[in-house]
Amino acid sequence: AQSVTQLDSQVPVFEEAPVELRCNYSSSVSVYLFWYVQYPNQGLQLLLKYLSGSTLVKGINGFEAEFNKSQTSFHLRKPSVHISDTAEYFCAVSVKGGSYIPTFGRGTSLIVHP
Amino acid sequence: GAVVSQHPSWVICKSGTSVKIECRSLDFQATTMFWYRQFPKQSLMLMATSNEGSKATYEQGVEKDKFLINHASLTLSTLTVTSAHPEDSSFYICSARGLAEHYEQYFGPGTRLTVT
Repeated sequence: AQSVTQLDSQVPVFEEAPVELRCNYSSSVSVYLFWYVQYPNQGLQLLLKYLSGSTLVKGINGFEAEFNKSQTSFHLRKPSVHISDTAEYFCAVSVKGGSYIPTFGRGTSLIVHP
Repeated sequence: GAVVSQHPSWVICKSGTSVKIECRSLDFQATTMFWYRQFPKQSLMLMATSNEGSKATYEQGVEKDKFLINHASLTLSTLTVTSAHPEDSSFYICSARGLAEHYEQYFGPGTRLTVT
């Protein structure tokens, strides 16, 4: 079975600073990888996904992530954050050829300070 | 495209009553819908998977007699919390998956349930 580890439960950062949210996964087979954002009292919105091909994936709101197969990681990055990026971020993995039901990490709370 | 709605967005009910939450795919046909539960500051916990026209598949530890799921059409699934208790208070999120992109789910905005 696959699993996802988000190493940081909370990441505080100042506005306009860069940020990296870490995600590592475990799976014995090929996977799809996702990052979602959740604003307070809302559902999940897809930021970006890796299905195949280029390991650098660009998403919405200026976010990008890089798939690193050897390190089984899919870290999310943004070069300059805004106050409005304050939210909960979830990394998820699903197995290719399986049920495609994603397994979610526990989430990372990004807190952007002015 | 790929919009999923939930109704109501929040609901307060008394202990012992039942409450129904609707999940609709607005612009696509959802062959599979998922129901999640989320506690404060925690991740999503998958409760059940439902395919249109068939019985839902519940995850281990989820009481199927308490959380009734119906997926009667390709655009509507409902979750009914029966005989609700305060411990059922939570944020319930549905998601839907279409025919074309089996690897991606589209999430609804969630329903905040408070049982008093």
